[in-house]
Amino acid sequence: LAKTTQPISMDSYEGQEVNITCSHNNIATNDYITWYQQFPSQGPRFIIQGYKTKVTNEVASLFIPADRKSSTLSLPRVSLSDTAVYYCLVGLTGGFKTIFGAGTRLFVKA
Amino acid sequence: GAVVSQHPSRVICKSGTSVKIECRSLDFQATTMFWYRQFPKQSLMLMATSNEGSKATYEQGVEKDKFLINHASLTLSTLTVTSAHPEDSSFYICSARYLNEQFFGPGTRLTVL
Repeated sequence: LAKTTQPISMDSYEGQEVNITCSHNNIATNDYITWYQQFPSQGPRFIIQGYKTKVTNEVASLFIPADRKSSTLSLPRVSLSDTAVYYCLVGLTGGFKTIFGAGTRLFVKA
Repeated sequence: GAVVSQHPSRVICKSGTSVKIECRSLDFQATTMFWYRQFPKQSLMLMATSNEGSKATYEQGVEKDKFLINHASLTLSTLTVTSAHPEDSSFYICSARYLNEQFFGPGTRLTVL
């Protein structure tokens, strides 16, 4: 299983774009990159998943360079409610034995 | 979308008692479910993989006799914490795999006095 490395924490202000980068140097050919969001005392919530290049949905964008050794989650115009922990996971789709890294604690200030 | 529920959401018990936590897939069948434990300010730690109709696969360091997992049907997996102690107090989260995605339950807060 590919190990992931993310910043421990990040601070931002409301309305700003936030980019969280995840390093996964040992990603395998068949691995996908998935990001989850977790609020205190809740289960993780799926944000976005991608394999290469760029993926965008209604809440975020995911940028993956050609070598796939890193990925960047982009949250446009964050609000206070985006304060949460964000986890980057690498593995086969469907979460075959999904292993969580330390995650990034994002704190959005007014 | 696929929904996973857990029951109870919170439980407080005395040391030495056993506690059962249920994980249900509400609108889909799940042959594989996962159980995680999360301590305050820490990440989720995978405890075991629960397979319908067969024995669970435990991660290294997780006592299978203490954390009993039963996946008796395609929509229900249970985790029983036997002879609970204060150090077992934690947030327990289950997840289920469906159509190549993993869906998480809301979690169960266990407090052992």
